[in-house]
Amino acid sequence: DAKTTQPNSMESNEEEPVHLPCNHSTISGTDYIHWYRQLPSQGPEYVIHGLTSNVNNRMASLAIAEDRKSSTLILHRATLRDAAVYYCILRRTSGNTPLVFGKGTRLSVIA
Amino acid sequence: GAGVSQTPSNKVTEKGKYVELRCDPISGHTALYWYRQSLGQGPEFLIYFQGTGAADDSGLPNDRFFAVRPEGSVSTLKIQRTERGDSAMYLCASSLWSPRTLTSGINSYNEQFFGPGTRLTVL
Repeated sequence: DAKTTQPNSMESNEEEPVHLPCNHSTISGTDYIHWYRQLPSQGPEYVIHGLTSNVNNRMASLAIAEDRKSSTLILHRATLRDAAVYYCILRRTSGNTPLVFGKGTRLSVIA
Repeated sequence: GAGVSQTPSNKVTEKGKYVELRCDPISGHTALYWYRQSLGQGPEFLIYFQGTGAADDSGLPNDRFFAVRPEGSVSTLKIQRTERGDSAMYLCASSLWSPRTLTSGINSYNEQFFGPGTRLTVL
């Protein structure tokens, strides 16, 4: 599986935007970029995914570089409830393959 | 609707004992996954079921670990002769199996829904 690289931790002030980067220079053409997050004492939850175009949903936006070697998860207004570990994961489109998690980025939100 | 549930939420056992961890997936989800998470690490894949059969068990660390899903719904992860190194959070996830992309709601293509996990402590 292609590897992703994320900063170990980031900090944000409440109600400010947060940009969480992810590098995936060895991404293949069939890899989707997925983001999951894990709130304290909970299992991971899906945030967003995309292939080439930028994506928006109710939780976040995903900005994908034109060469697809990096992407950025954008939380438009961080809240205290967004404090979590965010995982950037590459996943092939064929079949229900398992997720390969790295260590993710631990986001702290300051009131 | 009901999400993925796992029981027990906590399990404390002694070294050498046998344990069973249960996962109830979301109704209708044919894919079921087991992961293990150690402190400070991301979840690590163990085994994945498509229906009743194990589609990929390459993540099981050794033959002390075994999982079943006899009726294609509930799954049980079984660990024999537990060791202190088995102590971790064991997570279960389920997902739909569909080749088509779902464009509405949060049930996105291949999205995995995780349970709250079972924290296993081996003394």
